[in-house]
Formats: sequence, structure tokens, C-alpha cells
Amino acid sequence: EVQLVESGGGLVQPGGSLRLSCAASGFTVSSNYMSWVRQAPGKGLEWVSLINRGGSTYYADSVKGRFTISRDNSKNTLYLQMNSLRAEDTAVYYCARDSDYFDYWGQGALVTVSS
Amino acid sequence: QLVLTQSPSASASLGASVKLTCTLSSGHSSYAIAWHQQQPEKGPRYLMKLNSDGSHTRGDGIPDRFSGSSSGAERYLTISSLQSEDEADYYCQTWDTGLRVFGTGTKVTVL
Repeated sequence: EVQLVESGGGLVQPGGSLRLSCAASGFTVSSNYMSWVRQAPGKGLEWVSLINRGGSTYYADSVKGRFTISRDNSKNTLYLQMNSLRAEDTAVYYCARDSDYFDYWGQGALVTVSS
Repeated sequence: QLVLTQSPSASASLGASVKLTCTLSSGHSSYAIAWHQQQPEKGPRYLMKLNSDGSHTRGDGIPDRFSGSSSGAERYLTISSLQSEDEADYYCQTWDTGLRVFGTGTKVTVL
């Protein structure tokens, strides 16, 4: 059974940093594309970043230069390092297995950026 | 620019059918899309991948009350025999190399 479990969310001040983790089971992260998607309160879904099988990474313009996606193959885990956080980054962050479309989703991790 | 357009809301009676539309931007009418459902206070759930020829592949455990079809740049999701748990937000999503795009979502109300 495929499962994705996010962790690492919380409250952080503007300008601060946070790292989200996404532990996968039932499949191998490194053999798949993986993405992060976020949803601000009361808003729609926004794609944030993806990493492909070869390790190439891509970002939405809104986070480019501030966020970094990575994975640890030995832990079968996906990460999102978020730096220089802004109030507008406040959202629930979901990791998803990316087959071009998101066929499995995690339950989400809430990130709140506020002073 | 790759953009998906959705109507903000739709409604239908319990047991009836509702058809949602997702429109691809100019020059992208051959793109496949996916449909995702998000029930209130829950995370998204993958419903199906929908190709330009109307063929579609449902996700694990998705009932055949959910079906897809296509016409030109438009992609449709039809929900038949509406149930109360179908009241949710529905998002279409597409992709290109290094890019993933969501529509703005359609809120379905079951009357």
C-alpha cells in the first residue's frame, strides 16, 4: 500500500527557515518523480516543486531561489527546505507521487509564517 | 502559457448527475489532464487521468460513477448518481516538462 506521511510543519517567523519531510512507503522515491504542492487557507492548490528520477529539480516562480527539494534514498524520504519564509508561504504543504499527475497524496503539513 | 480554466461552482440534486468542465489554454488542446477531489477539511485525492481522446484511467478505488470525456480543448468530469460525500472541490491538473499546473477548482454542492 502506498503511503506518504509529511512532518516538520509549524510556526515560523518571517525570514525564518523550516524543513518538511515526507516519508514514503509502498514504493521507491528515487524511482519516481515526486512533487510538493501547497494550499493557502481558503485557496486552491498550487504546485511548488518537483524532483525527477535523475535528481533534476524544478520550482514554481513564487519559491525559486528560496526553497530546495531533495531526497534521501536510504530513508525513502522527500524533503523541502524552505528559507526566507514570507507570510504568503503560509499553507498546508502536501507531498505527492508525481506520474505527471499526482496519483498519491500525503495528508499535509501546516506551515504558518507569522511574527 | 499553460493555463486551465474552471467554473467556480456547480450544483445538482442527490442522485442526479453533474458535469464539470476544465478548459485548456490556446495551443494546448492535445494535453492530457488529471482530476482530483478534495472533500471538506481533507487532503486531495486523485480521481483519474483523462486523455485528449476521452480515454481515462481511474485511481485506486474510484467508483465508475466518476467518468471523463474530452472535446477539443475541453475536458469533462461527470459524476453520476450524486451522493452527499461527492460534495467537494474538484481540481483539474496538467503538466509539461518541469511544470505542473492546477485549475482554480470547482465547488460542487449536492442539493
